[in-house]
Amino acid sequence: QKEVEQNSGPLSVPEGAIASLNCTYSDRGSQSFFWYRQYSGKSPELIMSIYSNGDKEDGRFTAQLNKASQYVSLLIRDSQPSDSATYLCAVNAGNMLTFGGGTRLMVKP
Amino acid sequence: DVKVTQSSRYLVKRTGEKVFLECVQDMDHENMFWYRQDPGLGLRLIYFSYDVKMKEKGDIPEGYSVSREKKERFSLILESASTNQTSMYLCASSSGQNTGELFFGEGSRLTVL
Repeated sequence: QKEVEQNSGPLSVPEGAIASLNCTYSDRGSQSFFWYRQYSGKSPELIMSIYSNGDKEDGRFTAQLNKASQYVSLLIRDSQPSDSATYLCAVNAGNMLTFGGGTRLMVKP
Repeated sequence: DVKVTQSSRYLVKRTGEKVFLECVQDMDHENMFWYRQDPGLGLRLIYFSYDVKMKEKGDIPEGYSVSREKKERFSLILESASTNQTSMYLCASSSGQNTGELFFGEGSRLTVL
């Protein structure tokens, strides 16, 4: 059984702080990794993808991948109240994408 | 603007009824997926398709079937709805080279009484 684990939260951070979201996965054969954001009552939307070890930055978002430790993280700099949402980690091994349960982030003004 | 459209946002059905959920994408994507999302259980893959008339079982295919007669359309069928199929159903699509970069529809919330 391929597993993707996330702390369900809520993770509460003050506005302007860095939010750090973490994800571990069980399948060492996993090749690609994704972060989706889901606002309450809405569908998930892709915000970051990462395919190789290291960091990938896109605006205020940085995805970090460590395949040896089977660990993916998402950093959100200068967190805004509009970042309050559930963040889903997803891992692709072979031809199926497996989602974690999501971490609920709350950014307080 | 790219779009994945699900036919019904809200449905209420009775136990034993046949239910059709339809999904259409306008991005010429090869891959299409049906997920269900439940509190505490996250997103679970029901079925997916990589090509017309092709289907593969996901993690929880029992009680469901699918149809893909045209590239842009992927239908989910509940032959005989049961109360444990009350859920949010999400359709998604992706291109052949980027199978994990999914575009989701708005979802169909199904209640089975």
